[in-house]
Amino acid sequence: VQLVESGGGLIQPGGSLRLSCAASGFSVSSNDMSWVRQAPGKGLEWVSVMYTSGSPFYADSVKGRFTISRDISKNTLYLQMNSLRTEDTAMYYCAREVEFDYWGQGALVTVSS
Amino acid sequence: QPVLTQSSSASASLGSSVNLTCTLSRRYSGHIIAWHQQQPGKAPRYLMKLESSGTYKKGSGVPDRFSGSSSGADRYLTISNVQSEDEADYYCETWDTNTWVFGGGTMLTVL
Repeated sequence: VQLVESGGGLIQPGGSLRLSCAASGFSVSSNDMSWVRQAPGKGLEWVSVMYTSGSPFYADSVKGRFTISRDISKNTLYLQMNSLRTEDTAMYYCAREVEFDYWGQGALVTVSS
Repeated sequence: QPVLTQSSSASASLGSSVNLTCTLSRRYSGHIIAWHQQQPGKAPRYLMKLESSGTYKKGSGVPDRFSGSSSGADRYLTISNVQSEDEADYYCETWDTNTWVFGGGTMLTVL
């Protein structure tokens, strides 16, 4: 089982970015998949989940701005982030299942002018 | 939604044992939690899932030194024979209807 995030970078406030999480060793459609973030020097914060059913849910802090999706053919999870704010600056991890039994290495998103 | 409370820091001498505690808010005292370890500069690593009964299931490759137990709303992570590589932040996590929460984390220092 492996999760590999990509797509992070430096973006100005108000901008957009799409993160990818490529999975191997299992199917993203057969497991609940989440995004979790960690601001510099801070703790972990759950961001979003996509259930096996395809239903998405979001933390209040990102609702209406972030969209989670998946491409089953590519076995990849995505996080589209719009209207980015400085407080969205964080390392973003994808994780598997409700207990987060596997984590990716993270993708750093820096929102700054 | 649930609230998880952890001490901000703990310390243990090399070779000793240490218990880290995660306390669930009262309404959620029966919830399952998970423990995660985050070594400096690394991604979190899943350690175990821990039920209110004290039954726990560890992740792949987690050393035998790590174990879990429960009492009421408290969930414990015990590290026996503490090693230098155990110096890390430890987070507990739980979930409820369409939401997940983490404790604030405990920074473990190995003396």
